[in-house]
Amino acid sequence: GENVEQHPSTLSVQEGDSAVIKCTYSDSASNYFPWYKQELGKRPQLIIDIRSNVGEKKDQRIAVTLNKTAKHFSLHITETQPEDSAVYFCASLSGYALNFGKGTSLLVTP
Amino acid sequence: NAGVTQTPKFRVLKTGQSMTLLCAQDMNHEYMYWYRQDPGMGLRLIHYSVGEGTTAKGEVPDGYNVSRLKKQNFLLGLESAAPSQTSVYFCASSLAGVYNEQFFGPGTRLTVL
Repeated sequence: GENVEQHPSTLSVQEGDSAVIKCTYSDSASNYFPWYKQELGKRPQLIIDIRSNVGEKKDQRIAVTLNKTAKHFSLHITETQPEDSAVYFCASLSGYALNFGKGTSLLVTP
Repeated sequence: NAGVTQTPKFRVLKTGQSMTLLCAQDMNHEYMYWYRQDPGMGLRLIHYSVGEGTTAKGEVPDGYNVSRLKKQNFLLGLESAAPSQTSVYFCASSLAGVYNEQFFGPGTRLTVL
């Protein structure tokens, strides 16, 4: 089945710095890659997604890039704020199911 | 709209007991999913449904059964609970089509002693 690897598992940055989280996938047929954010004790929520027909997508301070040849995609958060502190999950679509990475715990310190 | 709700929020079971987790959504979503979340393991798909009366196995289906008798409800059953099933269970739903956002419920924290 599909395998999604996510790195790093923890990331600490200072407020205002950028944060980058990287994921790789194994199924070359995967064509949809969402990112979910989960704050402590809360439910996961979609923050951005990308389909395989584009290489980059931006939404304010968040961007996702996709390299289909290398089978990896990344989340970029610029000008980080304390409220960005959360666990971030990447995922790739295989058939009807999303396969999630194991998560990155991001801490933004003031 | 309540969105996606889960019942109960917390439960403690003894090994061998059975229980049913209920997921309900009021968004008229076609697709529904059950995940479990364990520390350091991310979200793993247990079972899913692409419409009323349909169910399919996900990545970790063993020890669980599901039913989707009504479009708005998706039930997850544990027939004989084991300590390995201690986890946080999340239900999610989405519009028909695999490219749509999944909306998650608040989760159920289950402990099996």
